[in-house]
Amino acid sequence: DIQMTQSPSSLSASVGDRVTITCRASQSISTYLNWYQQKPGKAPKLLIYVASSLQSGAPSRFSGSGSGTDFTLTISCLQPEDFATYYCQQSYSTPRTFGQGTKVEIK
Amino acid sequence: QVQLQESGPGLVKPSQTLSLTCNVSGGSISSGSYYWSWIRQPAGKGLEWIGRIYTSGSTNYNPSLKSRVAISVDTSKNQVSLNLRFVTAADTAVYYCARNPCSGGSCQSGMDVWGQGTTVTVSS
Repeated sequence: DIQMTQSPSSLSASVGDRVTITCRASQSISTYLNWYQQKPGKAPKLLIYVASSLQSGAPSRFSGSGSGTDFTLTISCLQPEDFATYYCQQSYSTPRTFGQGTKVEIK
Repeated sequence: QVQLQESGPGLVKPSQTLSLTCNVSGGSISSGSYYWSWIRQPAGKGLEWIGRIYTSGSTNYNPSLKSRVAISVDTSKNQVSLNLRFVTAADTAVYYCARNPCSGGSCQSGMDVWGQGTTVTVSS
């Protein structure tokens, strides 16, 4: 199985901040990396697919980059509704695997 | 637009079989090219992919669960089902179904539609 490791596990930030979350794969996954946002009690929501494509309906302040083993999710200007947990997930091979999550909290 | 709704018993006894259904509305399950996946999340923990089924019936399972899990599709009812045998307390989680679109032979664009999830507790 491909292991996905996110960092940090949690972070505190203020509205308006630029936030970056990283995800590392245990082997090369090309650009087959997706990012999800999950709020408490809700299902995950797809934000970014194949590393850098913005899912329809996702705000443009979210962006993704990377290839191979190292990826980043950037929120350019943090909004109140962005406080949530973010997960990366590889879609290079089965079983699909997720990172452990990064919780973005209010500073 | 397509919506997914999971349903099934909220309480299952140890060693029994967990059976869940994902009802697909707003579109036919057999139209288009999609994988239909099951994912679970224990309380306060991360996401675990259980497995998936293609519209044609082809399946992939997580090796950690492969000996106990079966996913099937009923096109007449527009439903995807999950059966997990010999459950233990470790199978207690919120279970989600999700859609994974395929395009041009590639099914690697992520899971774009999710159900709201259903909580399953394994306890005697």
